[in-house]
Amino acid sequence: GAVVSQHPSWVICKSGTSVKIECRSLDFQATTMFWYRQFPKQSLMLMATSNEGSKATYEQGVEKDKFLINHASLTLSTLTVTSAHPEDSSFYICSARPPGLSYGYTFGSGTRLTVV
Amino acid sequence: DAKTTQPPSMDCAEGRAANLPCNHSTISGNEYVYWYRQIHSQGPQYIIHGLKNNETNEMASLIITEDRKSSTLILPHATLRDTAVYYCIEGDYKLSFGAGTTVTVRA
Repeated sequence: GAVVSQHPSWVICKSGTSVKIECRSLDFQATTMFWYRQFPKQSLMLMATSNEGSKATYEQGVEKDKFLINHASLTLSTLTVTSAHPEDSSFYICSARPPGLSYGYTFGSGTRLTVV
Repeated sequence: DAKTTQPPSMDCAEGRAANLPCNHSTISGNEYVYWYRQIHSQGPQYIIHGLKNNETNEMASLIITEDRKSSTLILPHATLRDTAVYYCIEGDYKLSFGAGTTVTVRA
């Protein structure tokens, strides 16, 4: 089946530093990937749509200069949390959709970010 | 914003069928109904999706009403491992999650 891989699974960083999260589609090409954030006991919130070869589209209220998205190839999108602060601590999840209407969107296993 | 309505929680007996309802009265003609579930601290797992016909796969069945304003996800024989938050989503391009239904399967 279609697999989306995220790395790292968890990361702890110091306040003020930047953290990069990778999202890869392992057995299919994805011109579009989606990034979500989930706080404890809450649902997933869509942050942005990552488009291969062009700028990402951010949802209302999401700071594009803080959450940098790069989709440089058909199998890789990266999310960089810049100048991270404790309030950025969250569970970040990416997703992509394999081609064909018989498939649903596939989600990565998520990245737990803790900013100390 | 999420446009579906689901009950916040449900209890199900192990081995019995679990029927999870969802209202999506604002669904448009090109939007699918997707069902996902999420077990704590994991990414959402795809279950099933459909446009207007009922669908079945190895995990579940999806029953969509003729007017497409509501649907029911059926887990035919619930197991303890089916305990999770279940999300019903209407969408065609990007998916917005609502609060979902917390399903607890009890022995």
